[in-house]
Amino acid sequence: ETGVTQSPTHLIKTRGQQVTLRCSSQSGHNTVSWYQQALGQGPQFIFQYYREEENGRGNFPPRFSGLQFPNYSSELNVNALELDDSALYLCASSAWRSYNEQFFGPGTRLTVL
Amino acid sequence: AQKITQTQPGMFVQEKEAVTLDCTYDTSDPSYGLFWYKQPSSGEMIFLIYQGSYDQQNATEGRYSLNFQKARKSANLVISASQLGDSAMYFCAMREGRGYSTLTFGKGTMLLVSP
Repeated sequence: ETGVTQSPTHLIKTRGQQVTLRCSSQSGHNTVSWYQQALGQGPQFIFQYYREEENGRGNFPPRFSGLQFPNYSSELNVNALELDDSALYLCASSAWRSYNEQFFGPGTRLTVL
Repeated sequence: AQKITQTQPGMFVQEKEAVTLDCTYDTSDPSYGLFWYKQPSSGEMIFLIYQGSYDQQNATEGRYSLNFQKARKSANLVISASQLGDSAMYFCAMREGRGYSTLTFGKGTMLLVSP
């Protein structure tokens, strides 16, 4: 196991609702990245947080937002949920500027009805 | 153009045989890293192996080795002596540059190992 935890494991929401997903990073890791994995696809980068600030963002709309806390844990918030937001959401932790490690949590499976 | 291409949607191999999963990449950055992850049906991405663009030797981790051919921009994963527990999705991913640790993933290859 990597030491990266995510909650909840599964979540069902309806279109238009808002959702918050949580991630606790591996001990000693201060950088958290979030990825969205649609069914049958590889993960897509959403954004990364370092020292409580967004440090890079993929091609996702502003209704995807995040937070990082002083203990390096992180939240992903999605507003105005759409059916296409149904996916596995993965968070990955790493040390800042680490080139060869990025450890993933077990993911949160979000279903939007 | 896709940055990571995995052309094999599915691969079948018998237990104890070796298998090669293909990955080609596209980048103009001289500094990059290539990763392979295994994703069982549970969903967790399990890190397998890493190869840096400046590494002179091919990476190896137990039964996993990475066949890195820089000029051809390929980074194939070789699994020796396949086991039933190797059945899973396998993703190739790339990190570009040194500033960020974000990854770009391919679409994956499903590996099925039969007894």
